[in-house]
Amino acid sequence: DQQVKQNSPSLSVQEGRISILNCDYTNSMFDYFLWYKKYPAEGPTFLISISSIKDKNEDGRFTVFLNKSAKHLSLHIVPSQPGDSAVYFCAASGGTSYGKLTFGQGTILTVHP
Amino acid sequence: DVKVTQSSRYLVKRTGEKVFLECVQDMDHENMFWYRQDPGLGLRLIYFSYDVKMKEKGDIPEGYSVSREKKERFSLILESASTNQTSMYLCASSHGYRGYTEAFFGQGTRLTVV
Repeated sequence: DQQVKQNSPSLSVQEGRISILNCDYTNSMFDYFLWYKKYPAEGPTFLISISSIKDKNEDGRFTVFLNKSAKHLSLHIVPSQPGDSAVYFCAASGGTSYGKLTFGQGTILTVHP
Repeated sequence: DVKVTQSSRYLVKRTGEKVFLECVQDMDHENMFWYRQDPGLGLRLIYFSYDVKMKEKGDIPEGYSVSREKKERFSLILESASTNQTSMYLCASSHGYRGYTEAFFGQGTRLTVV
């Protein structure tokens, strides 16, 4: 039972354009959402998060949008850079979960120069 | 800087061996986690601990056990390694009990069971 889903295994964009990565969830108890970036042979690094009381959070080139009614979130990267090429994981947690995260399958982003 | 350190980057073990993966964090975090990452499956939670000597099963605990004798250290044990446990293992830590916080990850251990 995949409670967090990233339906696009890969995404390819041109440098300078927008990258949009999508994520869907099914568990209504989730109220905190995060995006992580992972390079090969390294651990994931935290990018940005959003709580369910907001519908948008920005940090520099990265913006996360949350649509609670659709149980959908997306990560926008503008402008995309070749160094953004990595695997992106969406994650969710809820309530008194001790920070336990449920992850999606990941999306491989490739940004071409 | 938060630091989560895993004892090995790469390990090769034989089927049936008992395997220990060690993780240490230096930020006095209450929570520690072990995940495994497999292609197409994302990160799946094996076990987590929210306090010393406290542990709870994650989504895929079969074939694994854990130990947390000190707050900064969390060990994952493969009781009898099997080839289907070949994977990337990731340790993480986080602060607090309510979950509204990011987890910090170690660099990962690539385990191959032959």
